[in-house]
Amino acid sequence: ETGVTQTPRHLVMGMTNKKSLKCEQHLGHNAMYWYKQSAKKPLELMFVYNFKEQTENNSVPSRFSPECPNSSHLFLHLHTLQPEDSALYLCASSQDGVDYGYTFGSGTRLTVV
Amino acid sequence: QKEVEQDPGPLSVPEGAIVSLNCTYSNSAFQYFMWYRQYSRKGPELLMYTYSSGNKEDGRFTAQVDKSSKYISLFIRDSQPSDSATYLCAMRDYGGSQGNLIFGKGTKLSVKP
Repeated sequence: ETGVTQTPRHLVMGMTNKKSLKCEQHLGHNAMYWYKQSAKKPLELMFVYNFKEQTENNSVPSRFSPECPNSSHLFLHLHTLQPEDSALYLCASSQDGVDYGYTFGSGTRLTVV
Repeated sequence: QKEVEQDPGPLSVPEGAIVSLNCTYSNSAFQYFMWYRQYSRKGPELLMYTYSSGNKEDGRFTAQVDKSSKYISLFIRDSQPSDSATYLCAMRDYGGSQGNLIFGKGTKLSVKP
């Protein structure tokens, strides 16, 4: 497989559930990101990992917990979410020093009921 | 004032029309400008990338940056139904660093056959 792969594609969870989103990149990039995409709003940066170290946490509530075990894999652990957390969650990767942007996965469509 | 302003549309044009998509921004430090295309149920994909001011052409697509006016444009010539997607502008103030790519809300384009 090539590019950035996200699983699952769709997820419906109750407010008391715990679930995880997975992202894998096959591009040899050293940085990975989680973004939230809601209707009629710009992409919101959530977390940044550079060489497995978290370099940015954009004031994200603690019910979202990222994990980056290596430079190819990124997880977003979810627990006690709220209905307003329903959105498309996008993973992206990039290579430091290369300025032409990020490669995105297809996203996980999350619905919190 | 938001950092990046982009008219969300929707914009509907007939096949073969010239499409003009635009973003304005407030941060004069932005130097790297990108356009992403996002098809339904997919993640954004990088379409065009421009550094500083000027024009860049790639096939039917032309990206323009006017830093003096803090205004960027994407032109699509001879538009096709396959161009129907949401187009997001994105920009950053310096290269080689992650987490500072700022997105517009996206403009939804529909090209009618």
